[in-house]
Amino acid sequence: AQTVTQSQPEMSVQEAETVTLSCTYDTSESDYYLFWYKQPPSRQMILVIRQEAYKQQNATENRFSVNFQKAAKSFSLKISDSQLGDAAMYFCAYRSWAGNQFYFGTGTSLTVIP
Amino acid sequence: KAGVTQTPRYLIKTRGQQVTLSCSPISGHRSVSWYQQTPGQGLQFLFEYFSETQRNKGNFPGRFSGRQFSNSRSEMNVSTLELGDSALYLCASSLSTDSLTYEQYFGPGTRLTVT
Repeated sequence: AQTVTQSQPEMSVQEAETVTLSCTYDTSESDYYLFWYKQPPSRQMILVIRQEAYKQQNATENRFSVNFQKAAKSFSLKISDSQLGDAAMYFCAYRSWAGNQFYFGTGTSLTVIP
Repeated sequence: KAGVTQTPRYLIKTRGQQVTLSCSPISGHRSVSWYQQTPGQGLQFLFEYFSETQRNKGNFPGRFSGRQFSNSRSEMNVSTLELGDSALYLCASSLSTDSLTYEQYFGPGTRLTVT
């Protein structure tokens, strides 16, 4: 079974600075999807960014970008120009190319310091 | 378009009771997945339904069950509740399972407390 590991339970960043959240995963598959989800306090989980494993180019969504290292099975999230609204729990997730099941990490709680 | 809705939002039950949680997916979405979220464990997959059929099941005991109706609404049931079942139960819907841009949309969750 696939596993997703987020080794940083908590992270903090100064407002306007950059922070990188780490995620590693274990799989024997060659095609899959990777995602970062954000769960603000007492609010719904929303998708931040996704990456298809067959794409070499790292995904970018405004201030959010990923560093996808397929060989190393690493998928980190970089948040640039951090804002107070970025404070949330961030989950890394894996989905097989053909399967419908998502595997989530245990999450990283991000605090943004004004 | 309305998002994923879950009812009730909060629930308190006692050990041994059973509970039913409901999830209404985004209109047009046919796939509904359920997750259990607990501190330190992250999200653990319970099961996924597509067109009224359970397609995937996580590693949970048989006390956890679910179903999906023809309108794609889904329910999950937990029988003989245990203290360890206290958690946030999240429902997520997606358009289909064949899309290359597969994406799950989450509901606000149901906070279940077992006393």
